[in-house]
Amino acid sequence: DAKTTQPTSMDCAEGRAANLPCNHSTISGNEYVYWYRQIHSQGPQYIIHGLKNNETNEMASLIITEDRKSSTLILPHATLRDTAVYYCIVDPGTASKLTFGTGTRLQVTL
Amino acid sequence: DGGITQSPKYLFRKEGQNVTLSCEQNLNHDAMYWYRQDPGQGLRLIYYSQIVNDFQKGDIAEGYSVSREKKESFPLTVTSAQKNPTAFYLCASSIERRAGGANTGELFFGEGSRLTVL
Repeated sequence: DAKTTQPTSMDCAEGRAANLPCNHSTISGNEYVYWYRQIHSQGPQYIIHGLKNNETNEMASLIITEDRKSSTLILPHATLRDTAVYYCIVDPGTASKLTFGTGTRLQVTL
Repeated sequence: DGGITQSPKYLFRKEGQNVTLSCEQNLNHDAMYWYRQDPGQGLRLIYYSQIVNDFQKGDIAEGYSVSREKKESFPLTVTSAQKNPTAFYLCASSIERRAGGANTGELFFGEGSRLTVL
């Protein structure tokens, strides 16, 4: 299964865009990139996913590079409630072991 | 509302006792998962099940057991053989995952069960 690499932590000022990078250089052609976030002591929450094209929903945007070896999750106007751990995972789409790394701890500040 | 429910939210047990954590979903999902999370760590997969009466070991299955007698339910038993059972346990479900790379949807997580062994 493809592994991901994310920075351990990031800070962002409230109201500014938060750009969270993820490296998945061993991703295969049919594997999707998924993003989740986990607010302290809660279950993770789905944010967005994509295969090749950039995606946008009400929560965030996902930019995937043309070679698909990396992606960036963008929270366009971060708020204090966006403070959480963000996980980037590669999903092979089969009933296999979905692994979550340690993610990026995003701290949004005033 | 559809969702996934874990119980109990908090659980205290003495060392050497078996403990069963409940996970129920009414999303009509075929696949269910159990993860363990330790402080400051990511999620590690314990067991997963694609379909009723079938389940597979994840990365850290030793000391745990599961059953999948009903589509809606996937209970996890933490046995006395688990050396360090104190952790945050998360259950998740998704629509059936198919081989071949089809995108089959996101994981829906419960709110977790925090087990403390005294």
